[in-house]
Amino acid sequence: DAGITQSPRHKVTETGTPVTLRCHQTENHRYMYWYRQDPGHGLRLIHYSYGVKDTDKGEVSDGYSVSRSKTEDFLLTLESATSSQTSVYFCAISESTGGRTEAFFGQGTRLTVV
Amino acid sequence: DAKTTQPPSMDCAEGRAANLPCNHSTISGNEYVYWYRQIHSQGPQYIIHGLKNNETNEMASLIITEDRKSSTLILPHATLRDTAVYYCIVRVVGTGFQKLVFGTGTRLLVSP
Repeated sequence: DAGITQSPRHKVTETGTPVTLRCHQTENHRYMYWYRQDPGHGLRLIHYSYGVKDTDKGEVSDGYSVSRSKTEDFLLTLESATSSQTSVYFCAISESTGGRTEAFFGQGTRLTVV
Repeated sequence: DAKTTQPPSMDCAEGRAANLPCNHSTISGNEYVYWYRQIHSQGPQYIIHGLKNNETNEMASLIITEDRKSSTLILPHATLRDTAVYYCIVRVVGTGFQKLVFGTGTRLLVSP
């Protein structure tokens, strides 16, 4: 299994509070992604990164920000959590060398906003 | 990336082959077909991908029609642990950048 660690794995937070989710990889992969998964919607891309300090928006980026100060860490921040952000969040990584083109996913973070 | 269509659910008996179809009628010449699966609440797992030739690995086989408008993922001897949601995704393969667009997939139930 690819070395991807998401933390925390579970979190309950109150509406209006800031929340940061962390994705840590030991694979030195260039690309990192944050997805959310909700019933009936499959997985949807929030933000992605194509290198240190290089990030871009996905299809559902409103209310989220990201940062990548090191190759191994990609942080997802909810500046002011809302109940609509209750979801399961998955981090993924992929690489551009060695002919490997698949993405590897973490185990997910279940976030509940009350 | 081209849109894909999959049946919402399928059943399979343990030990039998599971054949999961996917339609991608608008696929372009440089787009590959990828399959991932998600077991229960775990992160999605890569299974296989192909361009136009049939592909096989230790997990599954991928059969792509000659016109490339549809494909079938085959799990040759399904086990209970293959119960999962299977996603068919079409995308261009270039630099390893894998910005994936997931649909709702096919929920495969393997029964004893």
